[in-house]
Amino acid sequence: DADVTQTPRNRITKTGKRIMLECSQTKGHDRMYWYRQDPGLGLRLIYYSFDVKDINKGEISDGYSVSRQAQAKFSLSLESAIPNQTALYFCATLGQGGELFFGEGSRLTVL
Amino acid sequence: TQLLEQSPQFLSIQEGENLTVYCNSSSVFSSLQWYRQEPGEGPVLLVTVVTGGEVKKLKRLTFQFGDARKDSSLHITAAQPGDTGLYLCAGPTPGTYKYIFGTGTRLKVLA
Repeated sequence: DADVTQTPRNRITKTGKRIMLECSQTKGHDRMYWYRQDPGLGLRLIYYSFDVKDINKGEISDGYSVSRQAQAKFSLSLESAIPNQTALYFCATLGQGGELFFGEGSRLTVL
Repeated sequence: TQLLEQSPQFLSIQEGENLTVYCNSSSVFSSLQWYRQEPGEGPVLLVTVVTGGEVKKLKRLTFQFGDARKDSSLHITAAQPGDTGLYLCAGPTPGTYKYIFGTGTRLKVLA
């Protein structure tokens, strides 16, 4: 089983709908991250969390919110999805040595 | 503002050729990392460089951290089709655990 698991892997939704992407990890890491990937733009940081009481905005947090329900779970929500939020979303954890461990990604399409 | 700029954005070369990918910033980083991403997967760490002027080798890949710790390069010798992928540099924003990524270099090695 993957150490960092994202659900759903693929989702198609309509403009205005609320969407939640979930991430769970079995690596025991405190620090977790949500990134967005668009073609030609690398990965951009949406939110990151150091523990359940510590949530920080990244480079592109507008239109997104997050919840750190437990050390192992970090969810990303789009309260009212819009087409330009169509992208590939990645969750990651940060290991002790500074390595980021990524999930397999969640592909979101907003029509 | 993208703190890490990569060049070139795209690179298509013949098998056996050499290539260099660059990652540049106007900010000093405590460390820089290189990741490789294949389609449908999350990025995977190749190397971390932490000391100015450091050179690390991973088989045919050579990584260098600039003396001023503002830039890094990835050199591939005798590229092979298996090297095809998206190469990303990344690092913690100075003084934080906010990991940001470069714009990415998409490499295609033709047999």
